[in-house]
Amino acid sequence: KQEVTQIPAALSVPEGENLVLNCSFTDSAIYNLQWFRQDPGKGLTSLLLIQSSQREQTSGRLNASLDKSSGRSTLYIAASQPGDSATYLCAVRAAGNKLTFGGGTRVLVKP
Amino acid sequence: NAGVTQTPKFQVLKTGQSMTLQCAQDMNHNSMYWYRQDPGMGLRLIYYSASEGTTDKGEVPNGYNVSRLNKREFSLRLESAAPSQTSVYFCASSEWLTGGVNGAFFGQGTRLTVV
Repeated sequence: KQEVTQIPAALSVPEGENLVLNCSFTDSAIYNLQWFRQDPGKGLTSLLLIQSSQREQTSGRLNASLDKSSGRSTLYIAASQPGDSATYLCAVRAAGNKLTFGGGTRVLVKP
Repeated sequence: NAGVTQTPKFQVLKTGQSMTLQCAQDMNHNSMYWYRQDPGMGLRLIYYSASEGTTDKGEVPNGYNVSRLNKREFSLRLESAAPSQTSVYFCASSEWLTGGVNGAFFGQGTRLTVV
């Protein structure tokens, strides 16, 4: 059974610092991995999707890497801003087509 | 472009009542999903529909039924609501079951309280 873990569960950084969010998964036979952002009381917003054949994806200040063999993905957010405060979720899609989610990392960027 | 639209946004039910959560997507996606999100449990898959005309159980299907009405719409029904079904429900869609080019898109959620 695929298990997805995100550590730490919460993170607080001063504005301007780079954010590094970790995601690990137990079964490397995945189709893709997706990073989401969730604001309090809101839905999930897709940030980046990395296909299993890719090593990284970039969008603006966001960069996500994927190391399938070691079962890890890292989301980097450069020069963090207070508006980046949210919960970040990673999810992997594998056989059976279930999108399995990690527990999320709650990020607070202090002005 | 609305994406994935869920109704209602909020609902309070009494134990034993029934209700249907509605979901519609306008991205011409083939696959649709229902998740529930609970504190400490994360997001768990209830049911999914690979394509129009098919539905399958997810991780926590007990107490729920679904209908894939057409390609756009996927509804979730609670026949006899229980307090354990108090949760936030999310509908999602993707181009294909494997995620396609852009992965999954989620609605804004339905906050359901069963008293």
